Amino acid sequence: DIQMTQSPSSLSTSVGDRVTITCRASQDIGNFLAWYQQKPGKVPKLLIYAASTLQSGVPSRFSGSGSGTEFTLTIFSLQPEDVATYYCQKYNSVPQTFGQGTQVDIK
Amino acid sequence: EVQLVQSGAEVKKPGESLKISCKGSGYSFTSYWIGWVRQMPGKGLEWMGIIYPGDSDNRYSPSFQGQVTISADKSISTAYLQWSSLKASDTAMYYCARISSSWYDHAFDIWGQGTMVTVSS
Repeated sequence: DIQMTQSPSSLSTSVGDRVTITCRASQDIGNFLAWYQQKPGKVPKLLIYAASTLQSGVPSRFSGSGSGTEFTLTIFSLQPEDVATYYCQKYNSVPQTFGQGTQVDIK
Repeated sequence: EVQLVQSGAEVKKPGESLKISCKGSGYSFTSYWIGWVRQMPGKGLEWMGIIYPGDSDNRYSPSFQGQVTISADKSISTAYLQWSSLKASDTAMYYCARISSSWYDHAFDIWGQGTMVTVSS
């Protein structure tokens, strides 16, 4: 099975900073990559699909890039409401594995 | 409004059986795959498996194959996740989620509110 590895596992930074999260696949998955946001105690929410397409209603400060085996989620200008754990997921084939998550906090 | 509504929290003993549900509304339930995702306390998301309610075609993660059963009743727009013999390690929040297409190679766009399952003697 294809493994998904996120880095870092956690980060703490200031409001207004740019945040970059990386997700690496153990094999080529094309652009079959999604990013989800899970706020504390809440249901996961789809942010980005097809590696770089913003889901409807998601603020434009979120951006996704990459293809093949390396992908990036960028939050331009972190806001207090962005405190959450972020997960990547590959969905080209089953099992549609999630990364282990990246916890983002405000310093 | 497109939504998935899950059944309520459960408290069970080891060895008991359980079936939790996920009812879809606001869309054609038979035309989209539904998946189940486990989240153990304080841990990440784990993909368990998916089902296509139109014909009950399903796929499982090797980690969950044989441990749970995923099914659906399209007449009442409901998907199920069931266990025949629960273990304490099954204690977790379980989410159902809709795949955004009739093809399973798409993301989960709609999520249920989650069902907390607690297994304790």
